[in-house]
Amino acid sequence: KQEVTQIPAALSVPEGENLVLNCSFTDSAIYNLQWFRQDPGKGLTSLLLIQSSQREQTSGRLNASLDKSSGRSTLYIAASQPGDSATYLCAVSLNTGNQFYFGTGTSLTVIP
Amino acid sequence: NAGVTQTPKFQVLKTGQSMTLQCAQDMNHNSMYWYRQDPGMGLRLIYYSASEGTTDKGEVPNGYNVSRLNKREFSLRLESAAPSQTSVYFCASQEGYGNTIYFGEGSWLTVV
Repeated sequence: KQEVTQIPAALSVPEGENLVLNCSFTDSAIYNLQWFRQDPGKGLTSLLLIQSSQREQTSGRLNASLDKSSGRSTLYIAASQPGDSATYLCAVSLNTGNQFYFGTGTSLTVIP
Repeated sequence: NAGVTQTPKFQVLKTGQSMTLQCAQDMNHNSMYWYRQDPGMGLRLIYYSASEGTTDKGEVPNGYNVSRLNKREFSLRLESAAPSQTSVYFCASQEGYGNTIYFGEGSWLTVV
C-alpha cells in the first residue's frame, strides 16, 4: 500500500519568506501527484498536478517538483503572504488502481 | 459555477439511525469518489465510481453503501450509524483517472 508522509505537520513563517513543503511516498510507481490547499471548514482545492513523466510544474508563486526515483515531491512557495495560510496536502495516484493516496498535510501559518 | 455540491453540510445522528449524503457534479466527469477525513489520518477512500453504472470499494467501505444514480450523482448511505463514523465526508469528481480531482465543500457528520 502506498504510504504518503508530509513533514513538518505544522509550519509558521513571517510574511515574505520563501518556503518549501515536503511530501514523500513509498511506492515510486506513481501515475501522478497533486498538491492541494485546504482552508478551515472547506474542501480541497487542487493547486498543481504533476504527471510521472514531469519534473516540475509552476503556477504563479507556486512551484512543485517531483523526484519519482527517490519518492519525493516539494512545493515551493515564493514570497509568502498571510493569504497563503492553509493546510497543504499532497496526493499520489498509482499506475494501477483508481484512487489517490493522501498525506496528512502541513498546516502553514504566514505571520504578517 | 457549482462544481461539486454536497448535501447536507451538517448532520447529527443518533447511533443506529440511517442517512444518505448526496453529491452532484456539473462538470460531466466520469469518476466520482467519497472520502472521509479524520484528524491525524488524512483522507481515506470509502467508495468510488469509475464510470456511470460501476462502483468499487475503497480503503474503508465497511458500514457504507453507495449508489451512482446517473453520471451527475453519487450518494453515500449509512445504514446504521455508529460513533466511529463521526467524520467529515468529502465527495470528489474527476474527468478520468489521472486528471485533476475536484472536491465538494464537505459534510460534517456527528453520530452520538
